Amino acid sequence: QQPVQSPQAVILREGEDAVINCSSSKALYSVHWYRQKHGEAPVFLMILLKGGEQKGHEKISASFNEKKQQSSLYLTASQLSYSGTYFCGTQYGNKLVFGAGTILRVKS
Amino acid sequence: NAGVTQTPKFRVLKTGQSMTLLCAQDMNHEYMYWYRQDPGMGLRLIHYSVGEGTTAKGEVPDGYNVSRLKKQNFLLGLESAAPSQTSVYFCASNKGRTSAMNTEAFFGQGTRLTVV
Repeated sequence: QQPVQSPQAVILREGEDAVINCSSSKALYSVHWYRQKHGEAPVFLMILLKGGEQKGHEKISASFNEKKQQSSLYLTASQLSYSGTYFCGTQYGNKLVFGAGTILRVKS
Repeated sequence: NAGVTQTPKFRVLKTGQSMTLLCAQDMNHEYMYWYRQDPGMGLRLIHYSVGEGTTAKGEVPDGYNVSRLKKQNFLLGLESAAPSQTSVYFCASNKGRTSAMNTEAFFGQGTRLTVV
């Protein structure tokens, strides 16, 4: 069972902000965020742990609401390089599972 | 430091043929995973392993088998390929049980498989 991401896709102009959401029907203990450029492998951005500890990318932030079993990724003042597909992932037991992804396109 | 390496990068198979995809990691990671990526479906977990000699089913295991005879290698096999298995396959790894919940996963560059 995959985490659910929203929106499915978003188009921005440079400098605009975006929020990508990730929710789970199961208890979340940690949430991973990755970005994938077209034709490439997913690359780690950030991990959020239960209890609020955050590790990751300096220009992108995220939040983790354990009660609501949700995480949100915040991209502020977007740049062309932010374009790609963003995935949230979570560890269900020994399984690392991912959402269906959010396609982000930043236009100049 | 190579990280996670997948071979081959591209392959075309005929229906009914078999093949093995190899994933090798040099980070001494305990956990390894195989995913398939299809448009609009994200990364779906096929099989995974929590250590040498162990394997377990993921979300979409049918039609695939795996083996982890050595800690650094995780093999994905297709015994009788079907057009529905046309996809991009990614291997990933991360640290062991006590750390898997808070360490990043490293991905290979992917294998693009077409079954005709």
